[in-house]
Amino acid sequence: DAMVIQNPRYQVTQFGKPVTLSCSQTLNHNVMYWYQQKSSQAPKLLFHYYDKDFNNEADTPDNFQSRRPNTSFCFLDIRSPGLGDAAMYLCATSPVYQETQYFGPGTRLLVL
Amino acid sequence: GENVEQHPSTLSVQEGDSAVIKCTYSDSASNYFPWYKQELGKRPQLIIDIRSNVGEKKDQRIAVTLNKTAKHFSLHITETQPEDSAVYFCAASNPSGGYNKLIFGAGTRLAVHP
Repeated sequence: DAMVIQNPRYQVTQFGKPVTLSCSQTLNHNVMYWYQQKSSQAPKLLFHYYDKDFNNEADTPDNFQSRRPNTSFCFLDIRSPGLGDAAMYLCATSPVYQETQYFGPGTRLLVL
Repeated sequence: GENVEQHPSTLSVQEGDSAVIKCTYSDSASNYFPWYKQELGKRPQLIIDIRSNVGEKKDQRIAVTLNKTAKHFSLHITETQPEDSAVYFCAASNPSGGYNKLIFGAGTRLAVHP
């Protein structure tokens, strides 16, 4: 089945230790999104890619970066995680010029 | 920018009753309004969506209504079942430039009691 896959599902890191979360898709969608969802809150968009074009939300911390080496894969890099970065990180995809977004299962990040 | 408010934050109903969740949005340019269901620890799943050229849309036990003039939209679930228990998020967006930035409401935790 075509789908959005996120690895790992759970990630534990130490305060200040860089961490990378990954997302892959078999849907061949042009657009990929990264959301941060803190406990009991709504998902909040961090950035998105339209093909190779990267778009950062104005309030996304500089600590967060992203890479998209090809259509299928997208990575979220957190350079120096703080305790406040503990959250569920959701990847989503959509075809270009279509509204529906397809979410992956998320990676829950714990910062010790 | 867009702001979406969602009410109530929690909703408790008896199995078989109806549930209604309401959202308001601020940006009159928004024209796409999806509803997502998120069970504990799982991904948000799209359950229904509506576009601004339609006032109402129904899919079996769920329906969404949109009032563009008042800038509010609502989710209606009839004949609720325990498996409807989850957090429901509304969202609004104005898709442009090939992508779609969703602004989510804060969520409603629905509990359906047998």
